[in-house]
Amino acid sequence: AQSVTQLDSQVPVFEEAPVELRCNYSSSVSVYLFWYVQYPNQGLQLLLKYLSGSTLVKGINGFEAEFNKSQTSFHLRKPSVHISDTAEYFCAVSGKTSYDKVIFGPGTSLSVIP
Amino acid sequence: DAMVIQNPRYQVTQFGKPVTLSCSQTLNHNVMYWYQQKSSQAPKLLFHYYDKDFNNEADTPDNFQSRRPNTSFCFLDIRSPGLGDAAMYLCATSRRGHHETQYFGPGTRLLVL
Repeated sequence: AQSVTQLDSQVPVFEEAPVELRCNYSSSVSVYLFWYVQYPNQGLQLLLKYLSGSTLVKGINGFEAEFNKSQTSFHLRKPSVHISDTAEYFCAVSGKTSYDKVIFGPGTSLSVIP
Repeated sequence: DAMVIQNPRYQVTQFGKPVTLSCSQTLNHNVMYWYQQKSSQAPKLLFHYYDKDFNNEADTPDNFQSRRPNTSFCFLDIRSPGLGDAAMYLCATSRRGHHETQYFGPGTRLLVL
């Protein structure tokens, strides 16, 4: 079984500043890793995913994440945030078989301050 | 555009009154999922279908049922809603064997009075 920890429940950051949202996972098998974004009263949108290969993954809206197997981490970064990035961000993990389900972390609320 | 549609976006029901939420998709995906997301919490998988094969999560209450009459549509039935069932309900789809790429609908927010 897998689990996900997001250490920061809320992250305030000023507009145009860099941001890092932290994610750690636990698993006894190889995993896929994901970051989803959820805007108020909307569904989840996939930002990026790590399946294999390069540990630096680039996603939509200028976000990127780095898979670190030794630290079991998958932190999300953006060099300069915009007001429109204010949302809830979920890190998620799953096993690699088709029978595995996606397990979501508790979420981090990013607030961008003008 | 191909998409996942959920109706209604907001649903109000009374304590104990059965309610049905609907999901449709134009992606022609084999797999459909229902998640429950309570306020400020992570989405939690309730059940999913591989085509017509129903897969219930072990901790999903019996109060929650689902129907999938065809590839495009999937329904979530709550037989006797309690106050604790108030939540956002998210439908998602994927191609069989590609659970890593799920497409989510906008969700239905359920309020139980």
